[in-house]
Amino acid sequence: DTEVTQTPKHLVMGMTNKKSLKCEQHMGHRAMYWYKQKAKKPPELMFVYSYEKLSINESVPSRFSPECPNSSLLNLHLHALQPEDSALYLCASSHAARQGSYYGYTFGSGTRLTVV
Amino acid sequence: AQTVTQSQPEMSVQEAETVTLSCTYDTSESNYYLFWYKQPPSRQMILVIRQEAYKQQNATENRFSVNFQKAAKSFSLKISDSQLGDTAMYFCAFIKRGNYGGSQGNLIFGKGTKLSVKP
Repeated sequence: DTEVTQTPKHLVMGMTNKKSLKCEQHMGHRAMYWYKQKAKKPPELMFVYSYEKLSINESVPSRFSPECPNSSLLNLHLHALQPEDSALYLCASSHAARQGSYYGYTFGSGTRLTVV
Repeated sequence: AQTVTQSQPEMSVQEAETVTLSCTYDTSESNYYLFWYKQPPSRQMILVIRQEAYKQQNATENRFSVNFQKAAKSFSLKISDSQLGDTAMYFCAFIKRGNYGGSQGNLIFGKGTKLSVKP
């Protein structure tokens, strides 16, 4: 299996809703990432998990809450979002620092989030 | 800090022709990896090609090849025999190489080049 699977593909939520994005990979990667991408821009790093521990939080507002229940799963819990949070949310995975040869990130196809 | 610069926001090419996308980067590191990613309208980021900085030989993947000039810190992507399916945003990216051959730090992206292949 060489894929990163993200669900849902599209999500519309109100500013008072709570929702979660899910990401799954079975490539044995021990590093997983959440990115936010606005139209025509490169992805912006939000969170990094390495060996299931949060290693980087790029000053993301607390209304975004990541979770890594095991080495294959990564969740992003959303609460009280703002319209400016509307974007494509990409999950990615890769070999972690001690996993040897490095072949870059494998990305999922993303969740298109619209906050209304 | 490392930076990646793509100086061509948009490019277009006729089907079956060859096009070259430019990328320059700035780093004081000697060991690192460079990548080109493609993001079509379907939005998934797809790895096109990978280069290890300590290898002099330019990487190739079918119709895609790179011109890696380490001293000049340049990493251009050449697409030969362009196809309509090559229409996409192309991102150049950099990451430091770690002690064990893996990565160190996080992937740094350029701003992207939008490539349109015209029939």
